[in-house]
Amino acid sequence: DTGVSQDPRHKITKRGQNVTFRCDPISEHNRLYWYRQTLGQGPEFLTYFQNEAQLEKSRLLSDRFSAERPKGSFSTLEIQRTEQGDSAMYLCASSVRTGAGSTEAFFGQGTRLTVV
Amino acid sequence: AQSVTQLDSQVPVFEEAPVELRCNYSSSVSVYLFWYVQYPNQGLQLLLKYLSGSTLVKGINGFEAEFNKSQTSFHLRKPSVHISDTAEYFCAVSGWGGSYIPTFGRGTSLIVHP
Repeated sequence: DTGVSQDPRHKITKRGQNVTFRCDPISEHNRLYWYRQTLGQGPEFLTYFQNEAQLEKSRLLSDRFSAERPKGSFSTLEIQRTEQGDSAMYLCASSVRTGAGSTEAFFGQGTRLTVV
Repeated sequence: AQSVTQLDSQVPVFEEAPVELRCNYSSSVSVYLFWYVQYPNQGLQLLLKYLSGSTLVKGINGFEAEFNKSQTSFHLRKPSVHISDTAEYFCAVSGWGGSYIPTFGRGTSLIVHP
């Protein structure tokens, strides 16, 4: 399967600990997005990469959050000093720029974070 | 800036009945429009998309949607639903040009009763 892959699928952590999530996009996709989704809500945009450059960040992305995409391939999202309010599903998506614009975003299965 | 409004948080319907899930958007530029479906504890799967051309778009699983520029709407329809269509449905808009970052609505929970 060559879809978007996220690891881990589930993570339970104690408040105050750091966590890191990984996303492997579809191989030829140069755009990568991170979203957060809480129960009963739609996905909320966190940040966007084009190749290795982080081009946009939402104001939802506090100083405790950092994302990287070294070499424009996989991406990591780190949350430092986790809080209970960080409990959510973290979704990664990728797309590719075309001459006409952009393809649709393809989503991974998500990482469900529970902070206890 | 762009935004999406899904007016119905829940839509209950009986099996084999028709259904319409409503979506309105706002954007200052031309748009791409999408409908995604999400099953419990899963990621989002694309149902259909409008990029340009015909305003009536057909997708997977018998769903279709119509782009109405004057009403800034992109409602999703299915003539006859199945139990397996029970899921969360999200409408999304992506502004043409720039980053194409999709903005999502809050979702509509479609509940199909036998």
